[in-house]
Amino acid sequence: QVQMVQSGAEVKKPGASVKVSCKASGYTFSAYYIYWVRQAPGQGLEWMGWINPNSGDTDYAQNFKGRVTMTRDTSIKTAHMELTSLTSDDTAVYYCAREKRTGGLRLLSLDFWGQGTLVTVSS
Amino acid sequence: EVVLTQSPATLSLSPGETATLSCRTNQSIPMYFAWYQQKPGQAPRLLIYSASNRATGIPPRFSGSGSGADFTLTISSLEPEDFAVYYCQQGSTWPPITFGQGTRLEIK
Repeated sequence: QVQMVQSGAEVKKPGASVKVSCKASGYTFSAYYIYWVRQAPGQGLEWMGWINPNSGDTDYAQNFKGRVTMTRDTSIKTAHMELTSLTSDDTAVYYCAREKRTGGLRLLSLDFWGQGTLVTVSS
Repeated sequence: EVVLTQSPATLSLSPGETATLSCRTNQSIPMYFAWYQQKPGQAPRLLIYSASNRATGIPPRFSGSGSGADFTLTISSLEPEDFAVYYCQQGSTWPPITFGQGTRLEIK
């Protein structure tokens, strides 16, 4: 069965960086885009960007350009999201999620999600 | 950027009733539109994709409809486990992918 398992909670100081991992299993890793979505406490969902695990190509939300880097390691079926120059506004649960496909068609919806990684930024 | 506006913000209903959740966009969305359910402490769960297709394992009491700039999620005969927060999402015009602000479905 498809699973997305994320790395554990992090506590960081302002100005630091955080790297969150997402290990996929149960499907062909390179065939499905992986998204990163975050959710601040009590707030809604915010798209950060995606990565094509096959090519490594990425697309980032404007709000995060220059601060976020998404990478993947196909040998261990793991995607990573690194966010730099953290502030208290970056305190949130960060999710990875797999984009749904049917045949060769991208459906731009998210059918499997990781459990979330809480990142707390505090001095 | 496509802005999604969900209404109502909170919906109070009893088990057995029918919930109707709305999501309006500020521009027409051709195709890639989804609905998610989120319970406290859990990741979102995909309910509906491409506006009207139920995801795997989603009960038939959940249905999606709409096109253009006006979409609806209907939940018939509410079960106790259906009380949660629901989000709409569009993927037709990107970047960015955008989500609505959510509708909280609570027990009356």
